[in-house]
Amino acid sequence: GDSVTQMEGPVTLSEEACLTINCTYTATGYPSLFWYVQYPGEGLQLLLKATKADDKGSNKGFEATYRKETTSFHLEKGSVQVSDSAVYFCALLSGGYQKVTFGTGTKLQVIP
Amino acid sequence: DAGITQSPRYKITETGRQVTLMCHQTWSHSYMFWYRQDLGHGLRLIYYSAAADITDKGEVPDGYVVSRSKTENFPLTLESATRSQTSVYFCASSESSSGADNSPLHFGNGTRLTVT
Repeated sequence: GDSVTQMEGPVTLSEEACLTINCTYTATGYPSLFWYVQYPGEGLQLLLKATKADDKGSNKGFEATYRKETTSFHLEKGSVQVSDSAVYFCALLSGGYQKVTFGTGTKLQVIP
Repeated sequence: DAGITQSPRYKITETGRQVTLMCHQTWSHSYMFWYRQDLGHGLRLIYYSAAADITDKGEVPDGYVVSRSKTENFPLTLESATRSQTSVYFCASSESSSGADNSPLHFGNGTRLTVT
């Protein structure tokens, strides 16, 4: 079945450091890929998405590229801020939202 | 304000009791979903609904019951709570199930349930 594997956290970075959170997936067909962010005490929010190979999703300085050859969708940001501290979930969608598969989440802590 | 609201935010109950978690959305989205979030598992789908009076099981439905008599409400009931149902529960909605550009999942802020 479909699965998403993302790097375990927590990840602790200093402000203005570069961020990469790895995500790889296993799926049949051609899924859509997502990154969701969960701030403390809140629900998940869609951060970015990509629907086909080589697409790049971007939002709020974050970006991720759909790499079919390596089945990856790594999340990157060039300079993190304290306000980016949150849990980040990689997810894939194959056949409708009733079939969305989430990774286990990676907690990011950015220290001043 | 438009949005998706869950109640209560926190709930403590005893093993064997029935408890209902409420979810209300103001967008008139067709699709609604219930997930549970557990460490090491990410989010797992419990039940979903494509429209009023249409519901279906997700990945982990055992021990849960849902109903959808009105489009805007999608309550989740634990008929006889067990300790393994201690979790954070999220309700979500979407205009469609397809994941198209204009229909992302919108999540509520969650209900933290503890079963003692």
